[in-house]
Amino acid sequence: DQQVKQNSPSLSVQEGRISILNCDYTNSMFDYFLWYKKYPAEGPTFLISISSIKDKNEDGRFTVFLNKSAKHLSLHIVPSQPGDSAVYFCAASVSAGGTSYGKLTFGQGTILTVHP
Amino acid sequence: DTGVSQDPRHKITKRGQNVTFRCDPISEHNRLYWYRQTLGQGPEFLTYFQNEAQLEKSRLLSDRFSAERPKGSFSTLEIQRTEQGDSAMYLCASSLLVDWEKLFFGSGTQLSVL
Repeated sequence: DQQVKQNSPSLSVQEGRISILNCDYTNSMFDYFLWYKKYPAEGPTFLISISSIKDKNEDGRFTVFLNKSAKHLSLHIVPSQPGDSAVYFCAASVSAGGTSYGKLTFGQGTILTVHP
Repeated sequence: DTGVSQDPRHKITKRGQNVTFRCDPISEHNRLYWYRQTLGQGPEFLTYFQNEAQLEKSRLLSDRFSAERPKGSFSTLEIQRTEQGDSAMYLCASSLLVDWEKLFFGSGTQLSVL
């Protein structure tokens, strides 16, 4: 059972435009959400996160939006750059109580290609 | 390079053989995780340690899998009697407890079971 889903396997965007990557989850116990980025032949790297008590978190060109009622989150990259081309994974965690910190449930990933 | 290192990068083995992978985390990180990733999927949680204690193990992990982290430093993941379904990328990650969401992943060990 896929508790975190990224329904778009790929996304192609022109440099300078906005990239929007989407993620849906089914487990209402998830209370912390993260995005990781992965380049070929490397492990995933942390990008940005958001707690369920917020609906938006911003870090430079990256903004994550959380819609708890819809069980949906999105990552916005503005402006997109060719170096952003990578696989983006959405992940979720149950952080309450602290015992499962770092036990992340990942989506399938979305391949982002930013064309110059 | 002070990142997470994994050895070997690639492992080809025959079905039924045992394999062992090693992970060296970032030295000050007290949390260490093992994940598995297959083609077209995201990483899947296997197990994690806080210092030398193994705190959680996925129900998906069969008894053929065992992990250790002696002295809370490096970790090993052993797969006994490998099966073709074990073919995957095995990823190790580490983190600080206070910054737990920032997992630092190694480049992984690609296992192919023939």
